[in-house]
Amino acid sequence: ILNVEQSPQSLHVQEGDSTNFTCSFPSSNFYALHWYRWETAKSPEALFVMTLNGDEKKKGRISATLNTKEGYSYLYIKGSQPEDSATYLCAFIPYIGANNLFFGTGTRLTVIP
Amino acid sequence: DSGVTQTPKHLITATGQRVTLRCSPRSGDLSVYWYQQSLDQGLQFLIQYYNGEERAKGNILERFSAQQFPDLHSELNLSSLELGDSALYFCASSVDPAGGRGGELFFGEGSRLTVL
Repeated sequence: ILNVEQSPQSLHVQEGDSTNFTCSFPSSNFYALHWYRWETAKSPEALFVMTLNGDEKKKGRISATLNTKEGYSYLYIKGSQPEDSATYLCAFIPYIGANNLFFGTGTRLTVIP
Repeated sequence: DSGVTQTPKHLITATGQRVTLRCSPRSGDLSVYWYQQSLDQGLQFLIQYYNGEERAKGNILERFSAQQFPDLHSELNLSSLELGDSALYFCASSVDPAGGRGGELFFGEGSRLTVL
């Protein structure tokens, strides 16, 4: 079982603040990294699929970067809004044919109006 | 709506019983994954199927089994249930058999199992 760590475990920010959190994964092998957003009482939804070292992806106010050499990815949210409140999960695929995504335990973000 | 359908949404049963959870993947997706989420735990991978064949197994207990049928729907069978099996069970599907570079997962809404 591969260790995928996310930090912080939870985070409270004020509306309008920008924030970021981290996903760490083993750097020895890398195939892909996914970010998912999971709102309470809903199912996780994909935000980004990242495959190359140095990748930067953006969707609205949310962006992500990837460093495969050192084994981490950052997720940034600019100008947080209450609707951004959710758990953000990263999932790591170490090699092609792994046939599994190793999920971190997530960062729970609460945006206070 | 992800296009992945899971039934039932909620299930309450007693220890020792057996239940079946059902998943219909998104149209066109050949891969189906099952995950378990217990209290304060992350998503734990159970098993993956691609086009009817088992492709990968995670920490799935021997009391649990699964299969993917020719119409691509999948069932997860949980038997001799214990209190600790209470969890949210997610099914996800993808086009990519490895769920990797192109194949983001599309999750169902989950089946919440409570074992009393």
